[in-house]
Amino acid sequence: DAKTTQPPSMDCAEGRAANLPCNHSTISGNEYVYWYRQIHSQGPQYIIHGLKNNETNEMASLIITEDRKSSTLILPHATLRDTAVYYCIVTGGSNYKLTFGKGTLLTVNP
Amino acid sequence: GAVVSQHPSWVICKSGTSVKIECRSLDFQATTMFWYRQFPKQSLMLMATSNEGSKATYEQGVEKDKFLINHASLTLSTLTVTSAHPEDSSFYICSARRTGSLNYGYTFGSGTRLTVV
Repeated sequence: DAKTTQPPSMDCAEGRAANLPCNHSTISGNEYVYWYRQIHSQGPQYIIHGLKNNETNEMASLIITEDRKSSTLILPHATLRDTAVYYCIVTGGSNYKLTFGKGTLLTVNP
Repeated sequence: GAVVSQHPSWVICKSGTSVKIECRSLDFQATTMFWYRQFPKQSLMLMATSNEGSKATYEQGVEKDKFLINHASLTLSTLTVTSAHPEDSSFYICSARRTGSLNYGYTFGSGTRLTVV
């Protein structure tokens, strides 16, 4: 799987948009970008995934650059319950395992 | 939809005993399930890929005779930690992917906290 790079931590004010970046410069054409988050002592929660186009669901938006070498997860109105470790994972093709990096600890402050 | 149930949520066992953890996909079929281990303040580490009806594929460094995986049906995979020792104490998490396409997300169980005393 392509390697991803994320900042170790970020802060965001409650009610503001949280923009979490991810670099995946070695991504191949048939690999998807997945985002998960893990709240302390729970299993990871699926947020969103995409291949080429930008995606939006009830939780977040995923913006993938045209060259697909980076992406941004956007939480439009962060709440305190969004405080978690966010993982950006690239997988697909013949290898569909989800391999977790260190992720970004997002802290939403009141 | 896409719910994965993991049981038990926590377990305490004595050194030398074996512990079985179950992972069930409740509303979808999962040809493939994954088992992870997570130590405090660390990321999830993939242990093995569980394939329905065949042998599991273990990641490098994971002892297959210690961590027995069985995936006997399209909705159930089990992980048995054999002859558990205190260093096996960890948070074990399973994940399942809906059969057929990468266009579905992978769903995770809520995890099992294993403490070996």
